[in-house]
Amino acid sequence: DTEVTQTPKHLVMGMTNKKSLKCEQHMGHRAMYWYKQKAKKPPELMFVYSYEKLSINESVPSRFSPECPNSSLLNLHLHALQPEDSALYLCASSPSSTGAGWTEAFFGQGTRLTVV
Amino acid sequence: EDQVTQSPEALRLQEGESSSLNCSYTVSGLRGLFWYRQDPGKGPEFLFTLYSAGEEKEKERLKATLTKKESFLHITAPKPEDSATYLCAVRIYNQGGKLIFGQGTELSVKP
Repeated sequence: DTEVTQTPKHLVMGMTNKKSLKCEQHMGHRAMYWYKQKAKKPPELMFVYSYEKLSINESVPSRFSPECPNSSLLNLHLHALQPEDSALYLCASSPSSTGAGWTEAFFGQGTRLTVV
Repeated sequence: EDQVTQSPEALRLQEGESSSLNCSYTVSGLRGLFWYRQDPGKGPEFLFTLYSAGEEKEKERLKATLTKKESFLHITAPKPEDSATYLCAVRIYNQGGKLIFGQGTELSVKP
């Protein structure tokens, strides 16, 4: 089973709203990632969690707040977003994020976010 | 600067017409090259991992190869269901699992 599950599939939110994206995997992977993908562009890394600790933040604005409650779950809390933040948000996981233990990353189906 | 370039940007084939997609990379310390397929509005689907020059992987009508500077994704006798965007990504030494993606090749296979 190589499944990464993301909820919700679609989300429309106003610029003053607070919402959260959720991601879950049961492959025993210890690294989880958030990527952002704009239309006709490749995914761009936002955050990396390794063993439930934030290891990489790609200078993402503070209106995006990641959280890793346990090794299977990853959340992305959204607050005061701008219309230009509208995109497909992808979660991914891999066995680890460092060393020889790292292999391929598996992606979820994404959350299509629209900020109005 | 680490860079991944895919060509062509778009490719239109007739069903059964074989072709290749290219992914060239300029990186410091390659730790793996990955091919993904992405359908519109969906997440990338993992296809292949290549680690060293000379390595080849096959899956159905797809075959991925790797040299020291580039990778090719060969598509033999494609079918309409192979239509998708194909993404190449690299992992670099000491970058904590970060994937750097190319811009993708949008493949369209007509019956």
